[in-house]
Amino acid sequence: KNEVEQSPQNLTAQEGEFITINCSYSVGISALHWLQQHPGGGIVSLFMLSSGKKKHGRLIATINIQEKHSSLHITASHPRDSAVYICAVEGTASKLTFGTGTRLQVTL
Amino acid sequence: DAGVTQSPTHLIKTRGQQVTLRCSPISGHKSVSWYQQVLGQGPQFIFQYYEKEERGRGNFPDRFSARQFPNYSSELNVNALLLGDSALYLCASSLNRKHGYTFGSGTRLTVV
Repeated sequence: KNEVEQSPQNLTAQEGEFITINCSYSVGISALHWLQQHPGGGIVSLFMLSSGKKKHGRLIATINIQEKHSSLHITASHPRDSAVYICAVEGTASKLTFGTGTRLQVTL
Repeated sequence: DAGVTQSPTHLIKTRGQQVTLRCSPISGHKSVSWYQQVLGQGPQFIFQYYEKEERGRGNFPDRFSARQFPNYSSELNVNALLLGDSALYLCASSLNRKHGYTFGSGTRLTVV
């Protein structure tokens, strides 16, 4: 079993839909990161969380430390949101353990 | 301010050859980490360096080595290349643990 599990693996949505991507982890962490990867490979950091909830524009990230679970929400989705969204956890050593990603396709 | 820069962007090597990948962190960032991302998978941790010292190493063979220079730039070396080393190699720099990571665009290595 992977230390970081994401669901769904693939997601197709229509423009304007509310999207939720889930991440569960099995190890103790100091922080959880949500990252966005576009075709070509570049990774952009969206959020770093250690508790509670963060919001940036149409993106919201939440974490429940007790349940070892985090969610990334996208409100009013747009085709430019199409990308791979990756959850990564950071332990006491400063290394990231990544999930396999959720491939999101938003259509018109 | 420039982001994390990696060079080269693409590289094709033959099995058995050696390769050196380079990373320049954001100015002021003293920590550099290297990750390998095989097609269709999430990145895997290879190394972390802080202040020129190795602070962490992932589950990779001794063919993989790295170093960090006084200006905090870093090199990743891979010897005796195998087909399975074909991947996107990502570098990330960090100011400190409270500020998260900034990733470079990666070097895509193809071993033929």
